[in-house]
Amino acid sequence: DSGVTQTPKHLITATGQRVTLRCSPRSGDLSVYWYQQSLDQGLQFLIQYYNGEERAKGNILERFSAQQFPDLHSELNLSSLELGDSALYFCASSVVAGGQNTGELFFGEGSRLTVL
Amino acid sequence: GENVEQHPSTLSVQEGDSAVIKCTYSDSASNYFPWYKQELGKGPQLIIDIRSNVGEKKDQRIAVTLNKTAKHFSLHITETQPEDSAVYFCAAPGRRALTFGSGTRLQVQP
Repeated sequence: DSGVTQTPKHLITATGQRVTLRCSPRSGDLSVYWYQQSLDQGLQFLIQYYNGEERAKGNILERFSAQQFPDLHSELNLSSLELGDSALYFCASSVVAGGQNTGELFFGEGSRLTVL
Repeated sequence: GENVEQHPSTLSVQEGDSAVIKCTYSDSASNYFPWYKQELGKGPQLIIDIRSNVGEKKDQRIAVTLNKTAKHFSLHITETQPEDSAVYFCAAPGRRALTFGSGTRLQVQP
């Protein structure tokens, strides 16, 4: 158990809809990262927050947004969903800030999104 | 930004044999190279990492080697066991976050 909690584990929705994925980081970790893993693909970095502030952006679509709340949990919002958005979405947390990408990332078990 | 290439994409070995997975990176300033293991239905988990001031690191049956001149690093698993079956990812620090390789699906045949 990594200590990172993601909900929901599975989500099935239709094209054009909007969903919210939730992540609770490990106790004490200030950084939260969101990664997307499509079928047979690697982990694509989406966005990172550190202590409530956006720290780095990766290949995140404009239809997607995220935030980190004062209690450090984070939410990833996906809107106007398309078939190609079907993927596993992972949240990871770490102690270090984004400029020091040399610390261990602790991953949750992911949220599997299926868009029909 | 950092570009990480990983080979092979799939690897099948007999139990007890060794497995080697290789990665190359593009940013010569990179100084940290972790390996993650992802079991079915789970998130990736760090299994070993190496920093640029050493050329090799071992932890029981797994080892990682680093060649900074050639900009490549490798994961070595000896005496493979069925529980080693998983997807393995290498990574290197990008400008914004860890950049992962595309993954290697390792199957250990009993």
